[in-house]
Amino acid sequence: AQSVTQLDSQVPVFEEAPVELRCNYSSSVSVYLFWYVQYPNQGLQLLLKYLSGSTLVKGINGFEAEFNKSQTSFHLRKPSVHISDTAEYFCAVSPDSGGYQKVTFGTGTKLQVIP
Amino acid sequence: KAGVTQTPRYLIKTRGQQVTLSCSPISGHRSVSWYQQTPGQGLQFLFEYFSETQRNKGNFPGRFSGRQFSNSRSEMNVSTLELGDSALYLCASRPTGLNTGELFFGEGSRLTVL
Repeated sequence: AQSVTQLDSQVPVFEEAPVELRCNYSSSVSVYLFWYVQYPNQGLQLLLKYLSGSTLVKGINGFEAEFNKSQTSFHLRKPSVHISDTAEYFCAVSPDSGGYQKVTFGTGTKLQVIP
Repeated sequence: KAGVTQTPRYLIKTRGQQVTLSCSPISGHRSVSWYQQTPGQGLQFLFEYFSETQRNKGNFPGRFSGRQFSNSRSEMNVSTLELGDSALYLCASRPTGLNTGELFFGEGSRLTVL
């Protein structure tokens, strides 16, 4: 079984400031990790993913995330946020074990960018 | 390539009615998952279908059901609607053979129950 914890339900940040959205996971096997973004009244869109290789993953819209296996974390960062980054962000994990992969989502973090 | 298409986008029903939502996955995707999203409960997994078979199910009452057709299109049905069923229902598909768990979401169907 696996689980995902997003400790911050809401994160307010001023425009052009840096932001970090935290994600921790628990799993008995190796995992694939994802960050999705949801803009108001829309579905979820893949922001970035870690499958293997380099632990620093770059995604769309200037976001990046770092996989830390020892701390079981996959925090999302952006050095300078824009108003358009206001959205809800979901961390997700699926097992790297072959066959059917059940996807587990975190509870989401609402990023509010303040002008 | 067209994305995941959900219909209708918005609908209003009254308590006790039933509703059917439709999802057309990306061409070639044979797996379709359904999620319910509400402000209070967040994103909750309903069920997943692969090649017309339900292969995973969340913890929802029997009023929530689904099915998948041979062309991979999926429908979900909610009977005897309750006020608490008001939510955004999201459908997601994933490609056959790409076993990473990456999901491709539709825009959702927003259901309001009065």
